[in-house]
Amino acid sequence: EPEVTQTPSHQVTQMGQEVILRCVPISNHLYFYWYRQILGQKVEFLVSFYNNEISEKSEIFDDQFSVERPDGSNFTLKIRSTKLEDSAMYFCASSEAPYARETQYFGPGTRLLVL
Amino acid sequence: SQQGEEDPQALSIQEGENATMNCSYKTSINNLQWYRQNSGRGLVHLILIRSNEREKHSGRLRVTLDTSKKSSSLLITASRAADTASYFCATDAWTQGGSEKLVFGKGTKLTVNP
Repeated sequence: EPEVTQTPSHQVTQMGQEVILRCVPISNHLYFYWYRQILGQKVEFLVSFYNNEISEKSEIFDDQFSVERPDGSNFTLKIRSTKLEDSAMYFCASSEAPYARETQYFGPGTRLLVL
Repeated sequence: SQQGEEDPQALSIQEGENATMNCSYKTSINNLQWYRQNSGRGLVHLILIRSNEREKHSGRLRVTLDTSKKSSSLLITASRAADTASYFCATDAWTQGGSEKLVFGKGTKLTVNP
């Protein structure tokens, strides 16, 4: 069964450093998402992406964050200058249809630790 | 704000028993989804129920939706130790013009004791 994959599984970085989290969505999906989960808290929406542009973003997704689909398969989340509070599990998801009408399939996550 | 809120926050049962988890939300929805998360791992989609559906089954899972009460329940029958995980409901944030995000609740942590 097709699945969303994410790399790396774990990343440790120093405060102020840039990180890029990578995702390979399911191949026939057109809608891509990033969510994050701070330890012990809810899963929170960050951004959705369609047709090579951001279609929706949350208040968490400020200027320090950016997303890109550099080629036909990868979808990346960049954090330009990491802060301690960016430590979280980051999940990529993809779906065939928008507006959360259909299932969003999640990857296994990247655990980011900012020191 | 629209939220899915599960209860109980934690549930501990014996293998073979049934587990029921509930979810409440605040505003209109198009659909509600249940996900499972094993400790520190990714989110696994379990089932999606649409606002015009009242009940849905998938294997040992049974989901109900009561839009008049803005609530849903997830029943796992004949539970197994491998069902030990956190279970989340997620609703689409229905707004005019549509929204693509899922809004998750805090989850119910289920422990199934062998």
